[in-house]
Amino acid sequence: AQSVTQPDIHITVSEGASLELRCNYSYGATPYLFWYVQSPGQGLQLLLKYFSGDTLVQGIKGFEAEFKRSQSSFNLRKPSVHWSDAAEYFCAVGDMNRDDKIIFGKGTRLHILP
Amino acid sequence: DAGVIQSPRHEVTEMGQEVTLRCKPISGHNSLFWYRQTMMRGLELLIYFNNNVPIDDSGMPEDRFSAKMPNASFSTLKIQPSEPRDSAVYFCASSLARVSGANVLTFGAGSRLTVL
Repeated sequence: AQSVTQPDIHITVSEGASLELRCNYSYGATPYLFWYVQSPGQGLQLLLKYFSGDTLVQGIKGFEAEFKRSQSSFNLRKPSVHWSDAAEYFCAVGDMNRDDKIIFGKGTRLHILP
Repeated sequence: DAGVIQSPRHEVTEMGQEVTLRCKPISGHNSLFWYRQTMMRGLELLIYFNNNVPIDDSGMPEDRFSAKMPNASFSTLKIQPSEPRDSAVYFCASSLARVSGANVLTFGAGSRLTVL
C-alpha cells in the first residue's frame, strides 16, 4: 500500500539558517509527490509538486524539493528560513497506477528561533 | 474563484447528535476528497469522489459516517450518532485530475468539530 513517512515530528531552526525536511515514501511504479504547508487554523496550501522530468523542483516561498528514486525520498529544502515559515509541513504521494488517492504523511512542525 | 468552501467552520455538539458538514468544491473540479485531521492520527483520507461517484470509502471509520455528493457543486459528510472520539478538524479538498493520481488538491479551511 502507499505510505508516506516524515521521520521528524518537530524541527527547530534559527531564522536565516538552512532547512531540510525529510520525506520517504512507498508507492507503485509511478509516484506523484507533493509538499503542502499548513499555518495554524488554516487549510493546506500546495508548496510544490513532482510529476515527471527534472528531479529538482522549485516551489513557492523559496522552497525546493528533490526526488531521489533510489532512496525513495522527496526532501524539502530552503536555503534561508524566515520567521513566517513557522508552520506544519506535509509530504504526500499519489500513484497513477492505482487510483486518485493522495496519501499524506503525519507532518513536521517547523519552529523558528529569532 | 472563492476556493473550496466548507461549513460550518466550528461545530460543538453533544454525544449522540447528528452532525452534517458541507463542502462546495471549486467549479470545474472533478474530484472531491474528505480528510480528517487529529493530533494522534494526522491527516486521514476518509472518502473521495470522482465525477460525483464515491470511488473509495475505505477510510470511513464506521457506519456512523456517511458521505454524499448529489451534484458537482456540493458534498456532505454526516456523522450519526456522533461520539467524543469524532472530535477533529474535517477538511474537504477538490482537484481537477487530468491524469489519475496527479491530484493537486485545493483545501477548504476546515470544519472543527467538538463532540462533548
